[in-house]
Amino acid sequence: GAVVSQHPSWVICKSGTSVKIECRSLDFQATTMFWYRQFPKQSLMLMATSNEGSKATYEQGVEKDKFLINHASLTLSTLTVTSAHPEDSSFYICSGTGTMETQYFGPGTRLLVL
Amino acid sequence: GENVEQHPSTLSVQEGDSAVIKCTYSDSASNYFPWYKQELGKRPQLIIDIRSNVGEKKDQRIAVTLNKTAKHFSLHITETQPEDSAVYFCAAIGTGYALNFGKGTSLLVTP
Repeated sequence: GAVVSQHPSWVICKSGTSVKIECRSLDFQATTMFWYRQFPKQSLMLMATSNEGSKATYEQGVEKDKFLINHASLTLSTLTVTSAHPEDSSFYICSGTGTMETQYFGPGTRLLVL
Repeated sequence: GENVEQHPSTLSVQEGDSAVIKCTYSDSASNYFPWYKQELGKRPQLIIDIRSNVGEKKDQRIAVTLNKTAKHFSLHITETQPEDSAVYFCAAIGTGYALNFGKGTSLLVTP
């Protein structure tokens, strides 16, 4: 299957700082990329949908000014958590899809905000 | 929007027994239903999927059934093995290919 990479795999930061997470599709062109957040022992919650070259669509309750998403190319999407706080600590996972519905997930980024 | 309900939340079976996980969805327009397996700290892995023009699909020990009229679909794992222990998520495609996940089922297969 298709491969999606994510970087970094984990990050620890101080409260108030910003953190950027990269999601790359390595062997296919991801026309759409999705960002999910997963708290311990919970399901994946969709945060936003991004299409290459256009603004991301955010789910209800997700602050677009706090979670900045950029999808500048068909192989790269970035999520920036701005002014991170401890409650933003979570497992962030991206996925990419090409021409079909099948989504390929990245390995995830574990964020800990102190 | 799409709402996916998943049951049970936990399931414990003995090695060799079968495991069944059931999901229901609300949006009759949904037409793609994948199942993911997630081990602790790792990414979800697609194990099987089914599209709405098919009622059943099988891949070795794993099968999925879909009842579009009743809007429910199920995952069946036969001859379970300890390495099947993980959290399983069902999902249904919503608008724009976004996946709506169920809350997950923690499966434990005991030797």
